[in-house]
Amino acid sequence: DGGITQSPKYLFRKEGQNVTLSCEQNLNHDAMYWYRQDPGQGLRLIYYSQIVNDFQKGDIAEGYSVSREKKESFPLTVTSAQKNPTAFYLCASSPRANTGELFFGEGSRLTVL
Amino acid sequence: EDQVTQSPEALRLQEGESSSLNCSYTVSGLRGLFWYRQDPGKGPEFLFTLYSAGEEKEKERLKATLTKKESFLHITAPKPEDSATYLCALLREGGGNKLTFGTGTQLKVEL
Repeated sequence: DGGITQSPKYLFRKEGQNVTLSCEQNLNHDAMYWYRQDPGQGLRLIYYSQIVNDFQKGDIAEGYSVSREKKESFPLTVTSAQKNPTAFYLCASSPRANTGELFFGEGSRLTVL
Repeated sequence: EDQVTQSPEALRLQEGESSSLNCSYTVSGLRGLFWYRQDPGKGPEFLFTLYSAGEEKEKERLKATLTKKESFLHITAPKPEDSATYLCALLREGGGNKLTFGTGTQLKVEL
């Protein structure tokens, strides 16, 4: 089945630790995205990538880093510089850039203890 | 600045009781208006794209409409399985990949 796989689904982290969230897609999509969802707020864009080896900052990129070494993979690292990392993280992809028709993964819930 | 406001925040309906969800928006130039459905603990699922005022899209019990200031998601004779949070988002002309999302309407349909 084609889709987007995020892992882990739940993750706990101590303050000061970096953590990497995995996102893999087998839809052959060019564009991939990372969003953050907090209660009472709309989804906010962290980073996006339109093509392999290229990515751009979204609205809330501070404290996060990404890589796009393969078309299928777009991992997100939440660094210790992120002041409020506890959130639900969503990875998405689209067959082309500049579209609002995104395919989302099931999300990763990160809790900082 | 682009803005998306959804109302109501929460809506409780009886099965078969039709209603509408509202998405008000402000944007300098609209490229597209998008509706998603999100189940608890899951990622959003794309439903509709609307590009211009007057456009309508339908899927089963859902119909989305668009004016120059608002979009409505009409739910006809809802069933309990329609219970979810419905998200509205817009893409601005020249805005690249940056969707602006609303905070959603949480719909619960009861028997």
